[in-house]
Amino acid sequence: NAGVTQTPKFQVLKTGQSMTLQCAQDMNHNSMYWYRQDPGMGLRLIYYSASEGTTDKGEVPNGYNVSRLNKREFSLRLESAAPSQTSVYFCASTAGTGEIDTQYFGPGTRLTVL
Amino acid sequence: QQQVKQSPQSLIVQKGGISIINCAYENTAFDYFPWYQQFPGKGPALLIAIRPDVSEKKEGRFTISFNKSAKQFSLHIMDSQPGDSATYFCAALESYQKVTFGIGTKLQVIP
Repeated sequence: NAGVTQTPKFQVLKTGQSMTLQCAQDMNHNSMYWYRQDPGMGLRLIYYSASEGTTDKGEVPNGYNVSRLNKREFSLRLESAAPSQTSVYFCASTAGTGEIDTQYFGPGTRLTVL
Repeated sequence: QQQVKQSPQSLIVQKGGISIINCAYENTAFDYFPWYQQFPGKGPALLIAIRPDVSEKKEGRFTISFNKSAKQFSLHIMDSQPGDSATYFCAALESYQKVTFGIGTKLQVIP
């Protein structure tokens, strides 16, 4: 039982390049989330998926797109990377049963945009 | 707009001492208040959580104190150990989808 896994762990991009961050969970959770973590800003929600087939914008969605590929996988795409997107990105999941429950986080992807 | 204000941003405590981290909120719709612990290079992990109908919750050396009228809650770490050195985030939820995090407190426990 690996929990929430993310790939890659590290990535360096040049401005304007694109990439997709991958996330998968093996806990049969319904809801999945993408956050970015910046010093002094805490964790900010980019997008979330309440259930398979649905996605919604969070606090800071500009410059990102997401795909809920199936119940297990939720990817985050940067179409044209900018230096402001340099951050640590975390994927998380919850059971999403309608009750408040624990968010389980992946280990993160450290992205640098030059 | 910071809906959950956390302080201090950094904290140094001697081994055996008490670490105290405070959070304040404005949104009275928040009804669940978890604390997360994050070690370097790792994702945050749930440490302890409380609902507003309870004034205190204790799990081992970790205690949450909650003051509903003041809209404040705090984490106390008793007998702080070097292994407690991590970043701590308070959070608040108004529904199971929307989590608002504080900016985090980097705790260093020195021997």
